[in-house]
Formats: sequence, structure tokens, C-alpha cells
Amino acid sequence: NAGVTQTPKFQVLKTGQSMTLQCAQDMNHEYMSWYRQDPGMGLRLIHYSVGAGITDQGEVPNGYNVSRSTTEDFPLRLLSAAPSQTSVYFCASSYGAPGDTQYFGPGTRLTVL
Amino acid sequence: EDKVVQSPLSLVVHEGDTVTLNCSYEVTNFRSLLWYKQEKKAPTFLFMLTSSGIEKKSGRLSSILDKKELFSILNITATQTGDSAVYLCAVDYRAQKLVFGQGTRLTINP
Repeated sequence: NAGVTQTPKFQVLKTGQSMTLQCAQDMNHEYMSWYRQDPGMGLRLIHYSVGAGITDQGEVPNGYNVSRSTTEDFPLRLLSAAPSQTSVYFCASSYGAPGDTQYFGPGTRLTVL
Repeated sequence: EDKVVQSPLSLVVHEGDTVTLNCSYEVTNFRSLLWYKQEKKAPTFLFMLTSSGIEKKSGRLSSILDKKELFSILNITATQTGDSAVYLCAVDYRAQKLVFGQGTRLTINP
């Protein structure tokens, strides 16, 4: 049971490049989320999904796309990277029931030059 | 706008001291309040609070929620250097949507 896994761990992009951050979980969780964490700040919700085929926007969705074709995977796509997207990105998952806990992946540190 | 505010933002104490971290919130559709500890990587879960006045304890850590005054505190007694971390407070307000506070950076000096 690997829990929540994220790849890559580190990534450097140039402005305008696109890329996909991968997230997978093997706990059969319905709910998955993407957060970003900037220095001195807590985590902010980018997008989330309540099940395969269902996604919705969080607090800071602009510049990011998501899809959820399977229960296990929830990739985050940066369409045209900007320096403002330099951050640490965390994926999380849970069963989604009231009182349930979100489990976080190890994070991806992204730098956009 | 839903928001969570933590105080202090930074705290430095000596090993053995007791600390109290604060979290206040203004959130519609409150479901639960969560505390996480973040060292170098991902946040790790500490407590989930849903009812007022019921203290949750785990070793030297404890937490309580006041839903009337909209705040929670996290206490750590007999602090150790391993308690040094950022402590995050978050409120679950809808179907696992969390809003986080800025975090409190706690440093324990030997």
C-alpha cells in the first residue's frame, strides 16, 4: 500500500512550457485534491474531484487543468507555465465521508524561470 | 469569504516549555477542523475536531474546539526538538474542500 504518490519530485520549467504533475493513490479513495503551498502560506486548493469523471474548481484554479478518468489517478496540467506558478504542489485523497481524513502525497517542487 | 487565521505565525521556545497555538475561522458550512504537522514534506494528520468542548489528546499534544467562538487551540506540553515544525490548521467546509491557515512555525531550542 503506497498511499498517495506524486511524480516528479522536482521540476524546472521555462515560462510558457506545459507539463503534467502526476498523482496516484491505491487506497480506493473517491475524493482527490490538488493544493499549492507558497512560502509563508498555508495550502490553497487548486482543483478537486469527488469521483471518476467529476472535477471542480477550488480557490486558485486559473492556469491549471485536471481530469479524472480513473479512481486512482488525478493529474494536474499546467497549460503555459508562469513564474507565479513556482510553488510546492501537494495531492491529497480521502474517502470523503464526514469525519474522514485527507492523506497527502510527498509533494512536487516546481520552479518556473 | 471563508478564511482561517492562525497565531502566532512564528514561535521560538526552549525544550520543555508548553506552547499553545491558535486557530480562528470564519467558514460557512463548517464540517470539521483539522490540525496537521508539516516538517520538510507533506502535512501529516494530527487531529480532527467536530464537536465543541471535547478535547482530543495524543501523547503530549491536545486540541479543543469552540464552535461558538469559532476557534481551536493546539497545546503541546514538555516540548522536544522533534516538535519543531509548521503546524497547519484547516477547516473542512464542503465535501473535503479544505481552507488552510497560514501556519505557525514552531522552533524548539535545546
